[in-house]
Amino acid sequence: EIVLTQSPGTLSLSPGERATLSCRASQSVRYSYLAWYQQKPGQAPRLLIYGASSRATGIPDRFSGSGSGTDFTLTISRLEPEDFAVYYCQQYDSSPRTFGPGTKVDIK
Amino acid sequence: QLQLQESGSGLVKPLQTLSLTCAVSGGSVRSGGYSWSWIRQPPGKGLEWIGYIDHSGTTYSPSLKSRVTISVDRSKNQFSLKLSSVTAADTAVYYCARGSWFGDLGYWGQGILVTVSS
Repeated sequence: EIVLTQSPGTLSLSPGERATLSCRASQSVRYSYLAWYQQKPGQAPRLLIYGASSRATGIPDRFSGSGSGTDFTLTISRLEPEDFAVYYCQQYDSSPRTFGPGTKVDIK
Repeated sequence: QLQLQESGSGLVKPLQTLSLTCAVSGGSVRSGGYSWSWIRQPPGKGLEWIGYIDHSGTTYSPSLKSRVTISVDRSKNQFSLKLSSVTAADTAVYYCARGSWFGDLGYWGQGILVTVSS
């Protein structure tokens, strides 16, 4: 089983600042089969990034993903008020298709 | 626009079977190249992948495999989750989702809270 670790657990930033979220895998994620999701309170998760770096339909270009192998990053270039949420990474290289524990981005 | 909607009992007694259905609209479960998934989230906690069904069959989380069944009803354009012998640890919001050919989950239902309690 691939275990995903996300850091930091909580990121306190102000609107307009840059957010850098990390997702580290316990073994290599082949083909960059890694996705990022955003979840707001009371809502279902929303796909932001797939294939480590491809933005899903309708996702603003301030969201970007990078990385390969065991180290992946989600970057939000300039935080908008609606970006304060919890972010999860997920690998879909192998089963079980595990999620990371999440990073909460909150307002400083 | 594809939409998914979970339904089922919101309260299940311990040791009974949890049964949920995900109705699909704006698309078809017959469509090739997709997987139909279930994910859950205990209150205040993170996401846990349960399993999926696609053209090849079913794949389940090892931790739940002995208790889980996912099936598709093509005539009703829906898919279902059954989880047997539930305990309080199975209390969670349960989401259904559609996965791409590769596995990323692009469409989610709104989720349904299932509480296990006597």
